[in-house]
Amino acid sequence: DADVTQTPRNRITKTGKRIMLECSQTKGHDRMYWYRQDPGLGLRLIYYSFDVKDINKGEISDGYSVSRQAQAKFSLSLESAIPNQTALYFCATSQGFPDYEQYFGPGTRLTVT
Amino acid sequence: KNEVEQSPQNLTAQEGEFITINCSYSVGISALHWLQQHPGGGIVSLFMLSSGKKKHGRLIATINIQEKHSSLHITASHPRDSAVYICAVRLEYGNKLVFGAGTILRVKS
Repeated sequence: DADVTQTPRNRITKTGKRIMLECSQTKGHDRMYWYRQDPGLGLRLIYYSFDVKDINKGEISDGYSVSRQAQAKFSLSLESAIPNQTALYFCATSQGFPDYEQYFGPGTRLTVT
Repeated sequence: KNEVEQSPQNLTAQEGEFITINCSYSVGISALHWLQQHPGGGIVSLFMLSSGKKKHGRLIATINIQEKHSSLHITASHPRDSAVYICAVRLEYGNKLVFGAGTILRVKS
């Protein structure tokens, strides 16, 4: 089984709808991240969490919210989806010092019409 | 100007060719990562390095901290190497990653 899983893998939704993307990990890592990827751009950080009680905004957090339900679960919500939120979304985890390597989920392709 | 620049953006090679992908950055870093993204979308880590050179199979990654530059080399390229290669730097403070836009590599047989 994959260490980092994301659900759903693909989603088409309409403008104005609320949508939640979920991420689960079995690596036992404290740190979790949400990124979005747009064609021609690098991955950009939306939110990150270094433990269950720690939530931090990334560079593009507007229009998004997150919930860290447990060490293993980190959810990303779009309260009112808009077409420019159409993108590929990745969840990632890392251990922290001394191993900062990040492990990525398979991605969720979100289309907002 | 982006903090992490990769070149080239697109690269087509013949099977067997030696390939080089470059990454330059303009910020202070504690480490640099090379990642691979296959057409299915999944991202895997190839290397994490903070100095010198690392080798894994046909892949070699080098970094020059003074020049703020890293290269990823693929020897004896193969069609299965076709993917997007992404450079990311771990910022010196805060430990967050900043990503380059990626290099799309296609290796033809």
